[in-house]
Amino acid sequence: NAGVTQTPKFQVLKTGQSMTLQCAQDMNHEYMSWYRQDPGMGLRLIHYSVGAGITDQGEVPNGYNVSRSTTEDFPLRLLSAAPSQTSVYFCASSYPGTAGGEETQYFGPGTRLLVL
Amino acid sequence: AQSVTQLGSHVSVSEGALVLLRCNYSSSVPPYLFWYVQYPNQGLQLLLKYTSAATLVKGINGFEAEFKKSETSFHLTKPSAHMSDAAEYFCAVSDKGEGRDDKIIFGKGTRLHILP
Repeated sequence: NAGVTQTPKFQVLKTGQSMTLQCAQDMNHEYMSWYRQDPGMGLRLIHYSVGAGITDQGEVPNGYNVSRSTTEDFPLRLLSAAPSQTSVYFCASSYPGTAGGEETQYFGPGTRLLVL
Repeated sequence: AQSVTQLGSHVSVSEGALVLLRCNYSSSVPPYLFWYVQYPNQGLQLLLKYTSAATLVKGINGFEAEFKKSETSFHLTKPSAHMSDAAEYFCAVSDKGEGRDDKIIFGKGTRLHILP
């Protein structure tokens, strides 16, 4: 199993540009989520999904969109990038359909995003 | 609402010395508790988790943590630090039982430095 994969590893954007961060998992996990990690802030939940076709907002959803058309993929879209979105983004998945309870989350390697 | 407080954003210990990373939680219902580790330029991986079985939980790489309900703590320890333990450590909490939310809450992290 490849686990959780993320692409790209690093991206530079100009303010106002849009882009999609890709996340895929091959563990048949129902739950997937996106976090951003900033110095001194820990991990903050952006959006999450408890299964295909179901998404919900986390703690910091503004400026980001998600969709979940398949179990495997959970892309994160930045509609109009801003310097405040400079961060490291992590995708995670767990089984079954929740990250609450005792389920372990499996994390991707992250995408470093710089918005100029 | 759940929350996690990690005391000390940076902790330095000498190689061979005891490692103690502190975590206190707040939860209105009995919690599940986790410690994750993040090595440089990588995603998070699970060290150990408490799921209401034994209060002393053993994890990977010689780490363990003890759940103390009276102190609302879940401190992480390792008897003898190794250079390879240098990383950032995150404590996390999630609910179990009724009223559980589909989220896990992370602390802000503690960076562990190992001195030669």
